[in-house]
Amino acid sequence: NAGVTQTPKFQVLKTGQSMTLQCAQDMNHEYMSWYRQDPGMGLRLIHYSVGAGITDQGEVPNGYNVSRSTTEDFPLRLLSAAPSQTSVYFCASRPSGGAATDTQYFGPGTRLTVL
Amino acid sequence: DAKTTQPNSMESNEEEPVHLPCNHSTISGTDYIHWYRQLPSQGPEYVIHGLTSNVNNRMASLAIAEDRKSSTLILHRATLRDAAVYYCILRDRTSYDKVIFGPGTSLSVIP
Repeated sequence: NAGVTQTPKFQVLKTGQSMTLQCAQDMNHEYMSWYRQDPGMGLRLIHYSVGAGITDQGEVPNGYNVSRSTTEDFPLRLLSAAPSQTSVYFCASRPSGGAATDTQYFGPGTRLTVL
Repeated sequence: DAKTTQPNSMESNEEEPVHLPCNHSTISGTDYIHWYRQLPSQGPEYVIHGLTSNVNNRMASLAIAEDRKSSTLILHRATLRDAAVYYCILRDRTSYDKVIFGPGTSLSVIP
């Protein structure tokens, strides 16, 4: 299993540009989520999904859109990038069932810079 | 939601035990205590979790206070590879969809 994969690893955007960060997992996990991590800070939840076709907002959803058309993929879209979105983005997945003992698996991250 | 409080940073000498504390005074009876760690330039990885009893695995031990208002992650012999940010988080059945991380504890290991 490849686990959780993210592309690209690095990206530089200009203010106002749009792009999509890709996330895929091959573990048949129902739950997927996106986090951002700013320098010296912990992870903040952007959006999450409890299954294909179902998404919800996390702590910092503004400026980001998500959709979940398949179990495997959970892309994160920036419609109009702003310098405040400069961050490292992590995608994570975990099994279904809703157990509080579920382990989350994280991808390697995408480092995004918005000029 | 119940919150956790951890020291911002800690230091340890190599090959000595490390005790990383976490306070969760508002923990509910159904909250599980999870620990993750994040090595430099990597995504977080699972370390250990527990509910009431102390837990051991190949990576670490988790000691949970009798009143469950605090817990301690124990690394028995710190190595340079253990230098990371350690996160203590709470998970319960009512809010399991949202997994919220705090700033964590940055552990430095001195050779």
